[in-house]
Amino acid sequence: QKEVEQNSGPLSVPEGAIASLNCTYSDRGSQSFFWYRQYSGKSPELIMFIYSNGDKEDGRFTAQLNKASQYVSLLIRDSQPSDSATYLCAVNNLGYSNDMRFGAGTRLTVKP
Amino acid sequence: DADVTQTPRNRITKTGKRIMLECSQTKGHDRMYWYRQDPGLGLRLIYYSFDVKDINKGEISDGYSVSRQAQAKFSLSLESAIPNQTALYFCATSDQAAGTGNNEQFFGPGTRLTVL
Repeated sequence: QKEVEQNSGPLSVPEGAIASLNCTYSDRGSQSFFWYRQYSGKSPELIMFIYSNGDKEDGRFTAQLNKASQYVSLLIRDSQPSDSATYLCAVNNLGYSNDMRFGAGTRLTVKP
Repeated sequence: DADVTQTPRNRITKTGKRIMLECSQTKGHDRMYWYRQDPGLGLRLIYYSFDVKDINKGEISDGYSVSRQAQAKFSLSLESAIPNQTALYFCATSDQAAGTGNNEQFFGPGTRLTVL
């Protein structure tokens, strides 16, 4: 079992719709959770992080964390074609190792 | 502007050659990381360093070595390159976690390495 799992997609949504991206993780000691966006040929850039159960909203983006079920999700409201990218989920246990484990990413396409 | 830079950006080499990828940062971060990215596998950690005297293996360190020459410089070496090391390599930096849960990593532009 991979430590961080994501549906590889591609996920296709029409412009203006809500895109829902999901991620599950295996390490119950994980404490911080990140969503990165990566455009084709570019480096990942952070969209949001969350470390408390519940929802965290930032503009059109909402991260949801459920530690009991070991999943974290990202909702993108009013999706735009510019949101078309690969979204990487990353998990960190903030222990001494402090290393980040990434999922393989979900490719999102927003169609005009 | 504070930044993470990588050289070279692209490299084609032959099996058995020694290759060094370099990373420099002006963010003043103590922590630096090397990842490789392969289609369908996402980012995988090769090595990481918390300071100049601290080097740690990641999940896929075999066939790689690193050197932390200074706080701002972290190099990745492939002593004898093989074709399955063909990948996109990213360097990243982060600040020490401040208890907020956010230890965001900042990525360089990547080095595309092809081993023939």
